[in-house]
This record gives sequence, C-alpha cells and structure tokens, in this order.
Amino acid sequence: RKEVEQDPGPFNVPEGATVAFNCTYSNSASQSFFWYRQDCRKEPKLLMSVYSSGNEDGRFTAQLNRASQYISLLIRDSKLSDSATYLCVASSGSARQLTFGSGTQLTVLP
Amino acid sequence: DAGITQSPRHKVTETGTPVTLRCHQTENHRYMYWYRQDPGHGLRLIHYSYGVKDTDKGEVSDGYSVSRSKTEDFLLTLESATSSQTSVYFCAISEVGDVDTQYFGPGTRLTVL
Repeated sequence: RKEVEQDPGPFNVPEGATVAFNCTYSNSASQSFFWYRQDCRKEPKLLMSVYSSGNEDGRFTAQLNRASQYISLLIRDSKLSDSATYLCVASSGSARQLTFGSGTQLTVLP
Repeated sequence: DAGITQSPRHKVTETGTPVTLRCHQTENHRYMYWYRQDPGHGLRLIHYSYGVKDTDKGEVSDGYSVSRSKTEDFLLTLESATSSQTSVYFCAISEVGDVDTQYFGPGTRLTVL
C-alpha cells in the first residue's frame, strides 16, 4: 500500500467548473501536508499548505482531517491554466522528508 | 525563484557506466534532497542532506550515493548505471527556518540504454 494515495484521474472538466481532489495518507506520524502542482515536463511547485482548520487561497481550498488521515483540494471556477497534475504530499521526519502521491491529472476544457 | 540549477539537464548513457548529477544552489539553504520521478510512482526520495558532509538515505537509495562537500552543491552518483535508473531526477532545497517547504530544481532527464 502506498503511503500517500490519490485518484490518478484524469479529470476533464469545463471552464468554470468546481473540481475536488481527495487524498489519503497512511503514516500517522506525518507532520505537515501540502498540495503541489506539476505542469507537463516541469518541476513540482508548491500550491498550498494544508491545515486542520482548512485554508483558502483565492479559488483554491485545502482541508486536512487527521482523524481520517484524509486531505482534500477544491478548485472553484476552473481556468484553462489550472490544467496540470496535482500532487498530494505528506512530510515526516526530522529533515521533513516528503512523501508524494502519484498525482491527479486535471484538464480544464474550453 | 529559489536559485536551484541542475546539470546536466539531459543525459543518455550506457548500462554499467558511472554517472554524476549535480545540484547547485545559490542561497545557502541547509537542506537539500534528491528525488526520482517515474510514471505510476510519483516522486520518491533517494537521499537527502542536512548540512555539509551530513547525508542520509531515503526511500529508494539502493544504487545511488551522494556527497556534499560544500553548502551549495549536492552530487548524486550512480556508480554503475542500470536501465531501471532511467528516470527524471529532481533536486530540492528547504528554506532555513521553514524546513517543511521544499523548492525544486528543473530536473535532469536520464536515459540508461
């Protein structure tokens, strides 16, 4: 079983749609959680951190449920530029080693 | 821009040859990491460093060694490359005081024939 699991998709949605990604993690010692975005053949880039209280950054909302070991990302009013692979990430250890999910591919269609 | 460069950006080599990939940073970050990315596996940690000459193994360290003799450089060596090491390799750094946040270099695409 992978430590971080996410639905690989692909998700194909029209512009303006709301899309939700889910992720589960198995290491209860994980300390911090993130969503990264990766464009085709590019490096991953931090999208946002995820907190138990929930956090929002513009059209993006992330949520963490430690009891269920579940992380979510909601994208509202999807834009063409949101097309990318979204990576769910958990951090653990003294050097904050990151464990990545395999990624969920999103395509926003005109 | 976290000032991370990787070299080479692309390399094709033959099975059994040694290969060294370089990660260079310009902003004195303490923590540096090497990952590989393969279809279906996501990114997996190979080795990391928490200071000059201080390194440790990650999830997939077999077949790889690292060295960090200067703060700015973190080298990943494949002593004898195998076809299973064909992958995209990413280096990452963490900001001092914000160890959780990692920033990635542009990647090195390695093909082992």
